[in-house]
Amino acid sequence: GAVVSQHPSWVICKSGTSVKIECRSLDFQATTMFWYRQFPKQSLMLMATSNEGSKATYEQGVEKDKFLINHASLTLSTLTVTSAHPEDSSFYICSASPLGTESYEQYFGPGTRLTVT
Amino acid sequence: GQNIDQPTEMTATEGAIVQINCTYQTSGFNGLFWYQQHAGEAPTFLSYNVLDGLEEKGRFSSFLSRSKGYSYLLLKELQMKDSASYLCAVKDSNYQLIWGAGTKLIIKP
Repeated sequence: GAVVSQHPSWVICKSGTSVKIECRSLDFQATTMFWYRQFPKQSLMLMATSNEGSKATYEQGVEKDKFLINHASLTLSTLTVTSAHPEDSSFYICSASPLGTESYEQYFGPGTRLTVT
Repeated sequence: GQNIDQPTEMTATEGAIVQINCTYQTSGFNGLFWYQQHAGEAPTFLSYNVLDGLEEKGRFSSFLSRSKGYSYLLLKELQMKDSASYLCAVKDSNYQLIWGAGTKLIIKP
């Protein structure tokens, strides 16, 4: 089956520093990857849609200069949280759809838990 | 606006059957998904419905009525490991997934 990995699985950083999270599709190519954020006891919130070779599309209210997304290849997308603050502490999850926008399934990575102190 | 409603929390007994409902109002429809999410973990895919009717997959079944904007997830022979949140999501006309807030299912012995 399709597998998506994320690295790191958890990270603790100091306020003001930047953190990079990697999302990889291990056994399929994904033209589109999605980045979500989930706060405790809340549902998934889509942050941005990442398309290989082009700029990411950010959801309303998500600061594109703070959450930098790079989709350099068909199997790798990265999310960099710049100048992190404690309110950025959350569970960040990526997902990927195989080639073809009509693919019905999104495969989720295991998530990255970010704690900003 | 787009909206997906599902109950916040449900409780059921081990071995029993539970039905989790989901109603939706979206701009277009390109399929409805159910995901299971255990605490602290990412969601895992359970089912996909794009046509009306019932899709059965082992202990889990999912039903869709597009005319009513309604779906349910049916879990049979409940096990303690089924304690999780169940997320309903709909793909709209732009193939964007719209997520419900999730239903926390508590299984009691």
